[in-house]
Amino acid sequence: QVQLVQSGAEVKKPGSSVKVSCKASGGTSSSYSINWVRQAPGQGLEWMGGIIPIFGTPSSAQKFQGRVTITADKSTSTVYMELSSLRSEDTAVYYCASRPTSVDWYFDLWGRGTLVTVSS
Amino acid sequence: DIQMTQSPSSLSTSVGDRVTITCRASQSISRYLNWYQQKPGEAPNLLIYDVSSLQSGVPSRFSGSGSGTDFTLTISSLQPEDFATYYCQQSYSTPYTFGQGTKLEI
Repeated sequence: QVQLVQSGAEVKKPGSSVKVSCKASGGTSSSYSINWVRQAPGQGLEWMGGIIPIFGTPSSAQKFQGRVTITADKSTSTVYMELSSLRSEDTAVYYCASRPTSVDWYFDLWGRGTLVTVSS
Repeated sequence: DIQMTQSPSSLSTSVGDRVTITCRASQSISRYLNWYQQKPGEAPNLLIYDVSSLQSGVPSRFSGSGSGTDFTLTISSLQPEDFATYYCQQSYSTPYTFGQGTKLEI
């Protein structure tokens, strides 16, 4: 049973950075993709970017380019999302979600989410 | 970016009702359309992918249809556990975008 296990909640100051991890366990395809989707309180879902760990090249939404860094550690099946220059509007639950292979275009498995609170 | 517009935003329903949620894309997305269910405090859960393929373990009362720009999610007979928020999502091009959600209320 594949699972995505995310790191714990974070409280950050405006202007700082946060790094959230997502570890895939239980067996995945060689070309699975991990994506990051965030949800501000009471709001909808917003795709931030993703990476196919076997290839290592990330993609991200233009809205976050320059602020988000997505990396993968193949040895531990862990993907990281770092968001910099945090502001209050970045307060949200950050989910990682997997696409089962590089040619499947849906998120079939989600982590439980990591709450990031940005507050002075 | 491709805009996804769902209607209605909320719907008052009852157990046993047949429910249809629509999703419109701002441009053609072929069949790259997925549906998710989200309950309060939980992560989204994939229901339907590629317009009409039922995800493993999802009850058959859920179905999807459409192509191009107009899509629908239908719940044939609403069950108590179906009261949740539903999102459509396009995966035709990045950034992958979601509809604003449809909340089913009792």
